[in-house]
Parts: sequence; C-alpha cells; structure tokens
Amino acid sequence: EAGVAQSPRYKIIEKRQSVAFWCNPISGHATLYWYQQILGQGPKLLIQFQNNGVVDDSQLPKDRFSAERLKGVDSTLKIQPAKLEDSAVYLCASSFGTGGFEQFFGPGTRLTVL
Amino acid sequence: DQQVKQNSPSLSVQEGRISILNCDYTNSMFDYFLWYKKYPAEGPTFLISISSIKDKNEDGRFTVFLNKSAKHLSLHIVPSQPGDSAVYFCAASAGETSGSRLTFGEGTQLTVNP
Repeated sequence: EAGVAQSPRYKIIEKRQSVAFWCNPISGHATLYWYQQILGQGPKLLIQFQNNGVVDDSQLPKDRFSAERLKGVDSTLKIQPAKLEDSAVYLCASSFGTGGFEQFFGPGTRLTVL
Repeated sequence: DQQVKQNSPSLSVQEGRISILNCDYTNSMFDYFLWYKKYPAEGPTFLISISSIKDKNEDGRFTVFLNKSAKHLSLHIVPSQPGDSAVYFCAASAGETSGSRLTFGEGTQLTVNP
C-alpha cells in the first residue's frame, strides 16, 4: 500500500513570496489533514478535510494560508505572502475516518523563509 | 495554551532497560490518546493508543498507561532497543468517534545506547 505522498520535500523562499505544497493521501482515505510543525514543537493542525469539505480550519491563518481538496483526493496548501515565522515542516496526513482512526503521515515539506 | 505537555525534551537509556516517556494533559474533554514515533526526515508513525475507558493498553514491547485522575499518561518500552531511538509524540483527542482534532505534545527525543 502506497503511503501519503508530499512534494516538494524542501523549499527555500524569501519573505513575501508565495509557495504551494501538494499532498496525495492514501487511496480510500476520506479524511486529510495539514499540520505545521515548528522546530522543537509538536505538529499543529492547520486544516482538516472530510472528502472535499472543510471540517476544521480554526487554526489556519486565513489571511495568508489557503488550502483546497478538489475532487476529495489530492490537496494543496498555499502560503501567500510568506513570513519568516512560517519556516516549519508542513505535514500532510490522511485517515480512513475521523476521531479515533489512525492518521498516516507523509514525509513532510521543510519550508525555510529567508 | 499548551493542553498536552511532554516535560522531558530528551531521555537516554541503555539497551535492554526500560524507557518511560511521560505526558500530561489539561483538557478534561480528552478521551482518546495516542503515541507517535518520528525518525528524522520522516513523518510521524502511529505506535499505540488508549481510550479513556481503559487504564492500560499493551502491544508487544510497548505499553501505555493512563491515569485519568492525574491527567497523565506514560509510554513504557521494554526492553529498549537502539532502533527505538526517535522522537516520541503524545497526542490527545476529545472525541474517539467524532471529527475532533489531535492535539500533540512537544515531543521527547529518546536515545537508546548500545
């Protein structure tokens, strides 16, 4: 079974530039999550999709972050414009259901904002 | 507001001995708890979980204990092996069957010395 795929693995940009990350979840997983993990901290949920609908985006900085999951499969997360404090690893995860279902994580995208 | 805390950033143990990783939480609505393991440059992988209706769950060398009155859980690894060296994250959810988000602790770096 293929795991969660993410690209790119690394990205370096200057502040005020824009950047986009892509995620392909495990086939058949209805729920998709984007997390931000700042160095020395645990992952923090940014947005959760159930199929192509948003379940929870309460911690997404909506002035600069946006995400979509068209057709309920792949997802993209965009930052525009980026700030220095956005430097982090962005993790995508998927699960068959919600709540107690195990979440499977991708390898993450390490973003550095200069 | 850090609702899930792992107060030990690092732990070092000898191969064959017991590793005990601790986690405290403040939100009394949490009723499902998970431990994830993370190797460098990889996403977290699920290790073991426990529902609040139990106080212990065991899976091979890994056992999770939950003390609801103290709002404390711990992960025991016996015997510890060098391959267990990784960052361990504690996570909690406020709904085993709902769409509630996972809240992660900061992580503990476990090093098992040969």
